[in-house]
Amino acid sequence: GENVEQHPSTLSVQEGDSAVIKCTYSDSASNYFPWYKQELGKRPQLIIDIRSNVGEKKDQRIAVTLNKTAKHFSLHITETQPEDSAVYFCAASRGHSSASKIIFGSGTRLSIRP
Amino acid sequence: NAGVTQTPKFRVLKTGQSMTLLCAQDMNHEYMYWYRQDPGMGLRLIHYSVGEGTTAKGEVPDGYNVSRLKKQNFLLGLESAAPSQTSVYFCASSYSRSRVGGVIGETQYFGPGTRLLVL
Repeated sequence: GENVEQHPSTLSVQEGDSAVIKCTYSDSASNYFPWYKQELGKRPQLIIDIRSNVGEKKDQRIAVTLNKTAKHFSLHITETQPEDSAVYFCAASRGHSSASKIIFGSGTRLSIRP
Repeated sequence: NAGVTQTPKFRVLKTGQSMTLLCAQDMNHEYMYWYRQDPGMGLRLIHYSVGEGTTAKGEVPDGYNVSRLKKQNFLLGLESAAPSQTSVYFCASSYSRSRVGGVIGETQYFGPGTRLLVL
């Protein structure tokens, strides 16, 4: 079945440095790729998403890139801050057209060192 | 506008007991989902619904049943709880974005979660 692999599972970076989280997906029909941030004890919340007709999207310190040929997509966080510490999940979906669902990666625990 | 709410927040069950988790959303979303979250395994889809009166199985449906009698509510039932069902359960809802050429994807809004412990 479809799956999404996410790496690394844990990541520790110095405050101010950049963090990169990478995901690969298996379903070539996937066309929607959201990223969720989950703080400790809280619900997952969407931070950015990208659709298959776009190669890159940026929102302030957060950017996502998509390589459909290689079935890779990545989350980039620049100038990291303590509040960026959380678990990040990537996901892939075909969208509602096939009544399908979002497949989530296993998550990356990001820690920002002061 | 409360968004997505879940009840209860926390529950302890004994093996074999039954219970129902309630999810409610006030955003008029068509689609609703139930996930379980276990350490190191991300979010796994249990069941989902694309509209009132319809449900479908997700990745890990065994041991669970669902109902969507009203558009705003999605119920998850455990008929005979097992320790393997100890987890954090999240409900989510979404609307569909559509454009010429077909639907292109959705954004999911999550509830606060229900922590379930089965002894």
